[in-house]
Amino acid sequence: DAGITQSPRHKVTETGTPVTLRCHQTENHRYMYWYRQDPGHGLRLIHYSYGVKDTDKGEVSDGYSVSRSKTEDFLLTLESATSSQTSVYFCATLGTEYQETQYFGPGTRLLVL
Amino acid sequence: GENVEQHPSTLSVQEGDSAVIKCTYSDSASNYFPWYKQELGKRPQLIIDIRSNVGEKKDQRIAVTLNKTAKHFSLHITETQPEDSAVYFCAADTNDYKLSFGAGTTVTVRA
Repeated sequence: DAGITQSPRHKVTETGTPVTLRCHQTENHRYMYWYRQDPGHGLRLIHYSYGVKDTDKGEVSDGYSVSRSKTEDFLLTLESATSSQTSVYFCATLGTEYQETQYFGPGTRLLVL
Repeated sequence: GENVEQHPSTLSVQEGDSAVIKCTYSDSASNYFPWYKQELGKRPQLIIDIRSNVGEKKDQRIAVTLNKTAKHFSLHITETQPEDSAVYFCAADTNDYKLSFGAGTTVTVRA
């Protein structure tokens, strides 16, 4: 499991409220990723990080921001949650840059009412 | 950016038969192609991967083939078993450590 945990694992919130999801890894991996998974769309990259304070946008970044102040933590924030952000969110880390294999966390199921 | 298409979206096979899932990609610079298996309510897990300098790779009952010229790659599962029932995702990486995923194939193995 590459030592990846996500919190919370489940969350119900209301439209317009801010939400922060946390990804924590214990393997000192440099790259970390946030994906969302929706039926019919596979996994889509929201944001990723290639080091402390180094982040970049993915293909579906609108409405999301991220921060990485420590190697082990990568936070995803929904500034003002909308119903379209109801999804399952997965964090991932890159094992090694040579292997290119990404390992996924257990996921966070978010429901925005 | 990279665009990965995956077919079929659902696949039902009789136990013991083979299953084949096909993916195409758009960026000829892609050089790493992993396959993930996701059981219901679980995280995606890597089952096999292949790099652009290899045409085929096998691991017990699963194999992946890559045709760089046609820009497509396939997952083959032989002698399917009930535990092979899951959603399978293909992906492609253009050497920038970002994966583009296909939409997934739901495989059901009938006993």
